[in-house]
Amino acid sequence: GQNIDQPTEMTATEGAIVQINCTYQTSGFNGLFWYQQHAGEAPTFLSYNVLDGLEEKGRFSSFLSRSKVYSYLLLKELQMKDSASYLCAVMDSNYQLIWGAGTKLIIKP
Amino acid sequence: GAVVSQHPSWVICKSGTSVKIECRSLDFQATTMFWYRQFPKQSLMLMATSNEGSKATYEQGVEKDKFLINHASLTLSTLTVTSAHPEDSSFYICSARPGGEWETQYFGPGTRLLVL
Repeated sequence: GQNIDQPTEMTATEGAIVQINCTYQTSGFNGLFWYQQHAGEAPTFLSYNVLDGLEEKGRFSSFLSRSKVYSYLLLKELQMKDSASYLCAVMDSNYQLIWGAGTKLIIKP
Repeated sequence: GAVVSQHPSWVICKSGTSVKIECRSLDFQATTMFWYRQFPKQSLMLMATSNEGSKATYEQGVEKDKFLINHASLTLSTLTVTSAHPEDSSFYICSARPGGEWETQYFGPGTRLLVL
């Protein structure tokens, strides 16, 4: 079956750096996505990786290793507003998104 | 950027009634729209995929007679929850994919349904 694994919850301090890992097992691969979801809201797109390597976008970076079926989302200079759930999703061979359960990130002052 | 709207954003209804949720792509044509459901503290669960002008493809375990999906135009898809029951209370989210952009999905803001 298809499966996305990511930690359930993480805690970090304001101003610090946090890395959220994601491993996947899917039927085919057409890219990996990271979304941010605040409570009660729909997901918002953060990043898309289809080739190995690091994609940097401001305070957020996303890394992909297809050989290790692994990705991480790196958040720098954490702000209180970054408290949210972070969803890892892989697009399979049918161009459907397979979603992880999300990682709830708690930022403490 | 591309915008997807959903209406209503909140709905409360009595058990046994039907509820229709609209999903619109405001500034692009969506050949494919997706309907998701999300229960508290859980991830998104794909319910069905709809392509304009054809029948929706439902995921395993989703009753197509209960969750009616219509994608009559390139900018509008509707989800009707028929004979809603309290267990149907959830957060329903649609997303829309522009034609030819396989890797792209734009999400609507979601509709929260509470069935009493």
